[in-house]
Formats: sequence, structure tokens, C-alpha cells
Amino acid sequence: EDQVTQSPEALRLQEGESSSLNCSYTVSGLRGLFWYRQDPGKGPEFLFTLYSAGEEKEKERLKATLTKKESFLHITAPKPEDSATYLCAVEGDDKIIFGKGTRLHILP
Amino acid sequence: ETGVTQSPTHLIKTRGQQVTLRCSSQSGHNTVSWYQQALGQGPQFIFQYYREEENGRGNFPPRFSGLQFPNYSSELNVNALELDDSALYLCASSLVSGGETQYFGPGTRLLVL
Repeated sequence: EDQVTQSPEALRLQEGESSSLNCSYTVSGLRGLFWYRQDPGKGPEFLFTLYSAGEEKEKERLKATLTKKESFLHITAPKPEDSATYLCAVEGDDKIIFGKGTRLHILP
Repeated sequence: ETGVTQSPTHLIKTRGQQVTLRCSSQSGHNTVSWYQQALGQGPQFIFQYYREEENGRGNFPPRFSGLQFPNYSSELNVNALELDDSALYLCASSLVSGGETQYFGPGTRLLVL
């Protein structure tokens, strides 16, 4: 069965404390893996798309990596404004599956 | 270039009623997907439209239906509303179907009483 599991469910960090969020997936015919950021009551905001194992992408304090079974979102020296829910999604043969997200809270 | 827009922003309905939600795609995008997001959960895929045809569907009953128009805008219709239909409904558009980045609108918050 196709599925996406994100961990941890919630994470509290001090400002400047680097960490990683995990997205494990099982899908037939991976067409792409997507990371989004979502603020409360708003639509998800696109961060990265990864297509093949070994691929990496970076944007400001965020870096996304992909293996055949999982993806990591690394956050380096986070700031309070990085607080949000981070969603991972995978697209398979005919559907897109989202994880439940990781709620990240950065303390000043 | 305009982003994805949705209307209305909020809506309150009673059980058994019908609702229509609307979405305008990002300029140049011909694919629209609809999602339901319950509180504290990730978005769940309802269906996708590509060039006015349904192009994939999630595990939602037939009372969830949709349309895509020639200008690539879209509607989501839900009949016989149930309390569990209360959620944030998200629309996302992409340039083509399959493996392309989807860009989301702000969502419509539906409350069913």
C-alpha cells in the first residue's frame, strides 16, 4: 500500500539549533517527492521537488535530500520565522499522497 | 503572473445541503487538483483534472464531483453534506499532469453544522 510517514510529529528547537525532518515513503512509480511549508489556516507553500535518489536541493536555511525510501529536510540555524508545519508529498502512478506533517516550533 | 485563487474563503452549511467551491489556476497551468485537509492532518487527494477531464481520483465517494472549464478554472461540488466534510479544501494547479510541482491556493474553510 502506498503511504507517506513523517517524523517527528512535532519538534521544538532553540533558535540556531539545527535538525532534520524525515519523510519515509512507499509508492509505486515515484514521479516526484515534494516538500511544502504550511502556516496555520493557509495553503501549503512550495519548497522543493526531488525526482531521483541522490538529488539534493537548497534554499536559504533549508536543504532537502532524497534516497530510494526516504527524504530529509535539513534545517540549519533556524529562526523563529521558520516555525510552521512542513509537509512531504509523493506522486505515484496516479495519485499524490501527503504525510501528516511535522509541526516545527523555533524558540527565540 | 497571478497565483492560485479560491472562493469563498469561508463557508457554513448544514448537513444535507450542497456546496460549490471555486478555484482559478495559476496563469498557464492546465492541471488542477483538489484536496481535503482535516484539522491536524495532511491534505488528502480528492481528484485531478487535466484539460477538462478527470485524471485520477482518491478515495472519496461520488457525492464529491468536479469540473474544469476551458480557461482551466475549476469547481468542486459536494452533495448531501455530512458533518465530517468540515475541513479546509485546497486547490492546486500545475503546468502539466504527472510529476510537476503543484502550487496551492489559500483554501476554503467549510464548516458543516
